[in-house]
Amino acid sequence: DAGVTQSPTHLIKTRGQQVTLRCSPKSGHDTVSWYQQALGQGPQFIFQYYEEEERQRGNFPDRFSGHQFPNYSSELNVNALLLGDSALYLCASSLSILGERDYGYTFGSGTRLTVV
Amino acid sequence: GDSVTQMEGPVTLSEEAFLTINCTYTATGYPSLFWYVQYPGEGLQLLLKATKADDKGSNKGFEATYRKETTSFHLEKGSVQVSDSAVYFCALSENSGGSNYKLTFGKGTLLTVNP
Repeated sequence: DAGVTQSPTHLIKTRGQQVTLRCSPKSGHDTVSWYQQALGQGPQFIFQYYEEEERQRGNFPDRFSGHQFPNYSSELNVNALLLGDSALYLCASSLSILGERDYGYTFGSGTRLTVV
Repeated sequence: GDSVTQMEGPVTLSEEAFLTINCTYTATGYPSLFWYVQYPGEGLQLLLKATKADDKGSNKGFEATYRKETTSFHLEKGSVQVSDSAVYFCALSENSGGSNYKLTFGKGTLLTVNP
């Protein structure tokens, strides 16, 4: 049973460019959340997608946007990259069960983004 | 807003030593509490969780008890192994009436266990 798959594993971008990161959730999961983990810090919540819509959003600027596809996979897009966007970007998938707490978050290994 | 404060590392122990990593939280409601572990080059793995006051989460010899009166969720293990070397994150998830709540993490504590 495949877990969460993220691609690419690493990438280097130049300041001002745009980047797209991809995530395939664990089989059976329908919700995808994205987190940014700066070096030496804990992950910070960016946003969460369910039924192809953004359901929650953290304190990140509009340069960060996302999308969820009908097969539940997701993309994270960052425009106008800044040096401070350099971080490990983690995708976490889960199964949404209305009315219940569901903490079956499964994390991917992340995409290491370096902005130069 | 919600926040998590955990003891700063790094923590270096000898094999079979006792481990405590302190974690306290601030939340407006009644959060669920978690410990995640991150091994080098990998994503986060859920280590244990507790969803209400006085619950004890446990897994692989690690334990943590949800203490509402002290807003704490300290991680303990009686005898650490070299393979426990990793970064440990304390996290909370607030119950806002829906499901799939976001996680709020602490900054992480690097544990190194020497043979």
